[in-house]
Amino acid sequence: GQSLEQPSEVTAVEGAIVQINCTYQTSGFYGLSWYQQHDGGAPTFLSYNALDGLEETGRFSSFLSRSDSYGYLLLQELQMKDSASYFCAVRDESNFGNEKLTFGTGTRLTIIP
Amino acid sequence: GAVVSQHPSWVICKSGTSVKIECRSLDFQATTMFWYRQFPKQSLMLMATSNEGSKATYEQGVEKDKFLINHASLTLSTLTVTSAHPEDSSFYICSATVPGSRNTIYFGEGSWLTVV
Repeated sequence: GQSLEQPSEVTAVEGAIVQINCTYQTSGFYGLSWYQQHDGGAPTFLSYNALDGLEETGRFSSFLSRSDSYGYLLLQELQMKDSASYFCAVRDESNFGNEKLTFGTGTRLTIIP
Repeated sequence: GAVVSQHPSWVICKSGTSVKIECRSLDFQATTMFWYRQFPKQSLMLMATSNEGSKATYEQGVEKDKFLINHASLTLSTLTVTSAHPEDSSFYICSATVPGSRNTIYFGEGSWLTVV
């Protein structure tokens, strides 16, 4: 089966940096994605790592270590609008290629002034 | 703009009735779409894989006779919650992959279902 663990809640200060970790156990692995979800909205794609290392996209960076079954999302220069839930998700080949996602438990990020 | 669209965004129905949710890919063809369900403050759980022109593939524990999925065209998948009960109240979201987009997965806006 698939299992992805994240911290349930994280609080950080506006302008600071925060890291959200994700550890996973999967039967197949084709990459780790990160999604942001504001209350009442749909998930929005942030980042995708298929290979080990750091991927940077603006204020957001994502890291993957396949040997450790571990990844993290790094948010810099935090803004109040970054308050949201963040999910890591694994793509696997369980069904129809690598489009199928198994989501992590989710991390509720709260930014304080 | 949105590449995957869902309708309706909100729906309230009475217990025992059925409700249909549509998921459309805009300006691209999606042979496969995915349906997820999310209860408040929980993660997204995959319900089923919708396959154009063939039967849907359901995840373990999801009742196929209760959650009917039809993918009759390359741009439309529908999820019908039959004989709805209050415990079916949830946020339902579909996803699709845009061909040639480096396998980026896009989600619909989601549909809030409340069964009273």
